[in-house]
Amino acid sequence: GAGVSQSPSNKVTEKGKDVELRCDPISGHTALYWYRQSLGQGLEFLIYFQGNSAPDKSGLPSDRFSAERTGGSVSTLTIQRTQQEDSAVYLCATSATLGNQPQHFGDGTRLSIL
Amino acid sequence: AQKITQTQPGMFVQEKEAVTLDCTYDTSDPSYGLFWYKQPSSGEMIFLIYQGSYDQQNATEGRYSLNFQKARKSANLVISASQLGDSAMYFCAMRESGRYKLSFGAGTTVTVRA
Repeated sequence: GAGVSQSPSNKVTEKGKDVELRCDPISGHTALYWYRQSLGQGLEFLIYFQGNSAPDKSGLPSDRFSAERTGGSVSTLTIQRTQQEDSAVYLCATSATLGNQPQHFGDGTRLSIL
Repeated sequence: AQKITQTQPGMFVQEKEAVTLDCTYDTSDPSYGLFWYKQPSSGEMIFLIYQGSYDQQNATEGRYSLNFQKARKSANLVISASQLGDSAMYFCAMRESGRYKLSFGAGTTVTVRA
């Protein structure tokens, strides 16, 4: 069965450019999460989507970061005017329901800002 | 304040031996879930085992078991009969009731020696 799919797997871009990262969830998973993993900060929560509810954006580090989830399925994380400190691995995870169902992670997008 | 503390940055273990990875957590919520994930050098986050705060028995999944000591707020992962493929970073994480995100510890790198 297909797991969480993220694209691209690697992205190198120049400082100041915008980037879009994509996440395709496991079919039927209603909850979707974005995390960021960097050397200095470990794993940080960014944003959470559940069904048609308003997303929890409390982890987004600045207004340069935004995310959407279309039709309760695919999600896109957008970073505008990228900065070098945005360099990290961006991980998407999905889970079947709320509660203590495990989150299943994609392989991540490694973002490098030159 | 750190919600999840993993005090062992790195550990070496001989193949076929058992290894215990420490995890302590901080919450005032009576309902919470504890998760362990494995992250090999390839980068994917693999769910290993889950323990709910109200579970009466320690969780086990194959060679993985969780030594849950609620009063001490610890949830140590035990890997029995270590294999070379167990070499990876291991993360302890917690989800508190009413919250969606996982809070992760800093991780422990395990290296299995032949």
